[in-house]
Amino acid sequence: IAGITQAPTSQILAAGRRMTLRCTQDMRHNAMYWYRQDLGLGLRLIHYSNTAGTTGKGEVPDGYSVSRANTDDFPLTLASAVPSQTSVYFCASSDGGANEQFFGPGTRLTVL
Amino acid sequence: GQNIDQPTEMTATEGAIVQINCTYQTSGFNGLFWYQQHAGEAPTFLSYNVLDGLEEKGRFSSFLSRSKGYSYLLLKELQMKDSASYLCAVMDSNYQLIWGAGTKLIIKP
Repeated sequence: IAGITQAPTSQILAAGRRMTLRCTQDMRHNAMYWYRQDLGLGLRLIHYSNTAGTTGKGEVPDGYSVSRANTDDFPLTLASAVPSQTSVYFCASSDGGANEQFFGPGTRLTVL
Repeated sequence: GQNIDQPTEMTATEGAIVQINCTYQTSGFNGLFWYQQHAGEAPTFLSYNVLDGLEEKGRFSSFLSRSKGYSYLLLKELQMKDSASYLCAVMDSNYQLIWGAGTKLIIKP
């Protein structure tokens, strides 16, 4: 793989179900991020990780959790999905600091 | 609070020049980014400004005035493939990006 990948590409989920969105990068970037993008709003940071083994909360963390067991992977889990979590989710990575962020192709999630 | 403002939508003609403005109020400043996002795709990096002035990169230029909390992205010799949303983002004191809602640019032949 080259760059950053996400899976699944899209998903329809019943409310109350648990869901994990996967993100993998092969650029050996220290920092990784999860954003959601909703119509009319800017990208909003859900959670981030500055380095493997550490995570932090972003602007909209409620209802989501993350883990960073190694450098490459940064899964995002919705423990019990709700309709307001319907969104496009982007994973990104960077060398940290003021370096540019590289984005994955996104996961379009619909919660019914 | 933190705020990034940019126009929702702009229309321009193929071959022309367009300027997309962005104003910001953030807690701290570690640079301003512009990204391009085609419909249904991921954002891709265009430019980064941390000092006042103009940065030119081919047909695209980006300007920053930190004292005015203002930036613009200038696109020259517009092509149909430039039809996209342009996202302004400021890196705050915690090195987190604060994003504007994006400007949808429509190019007409």
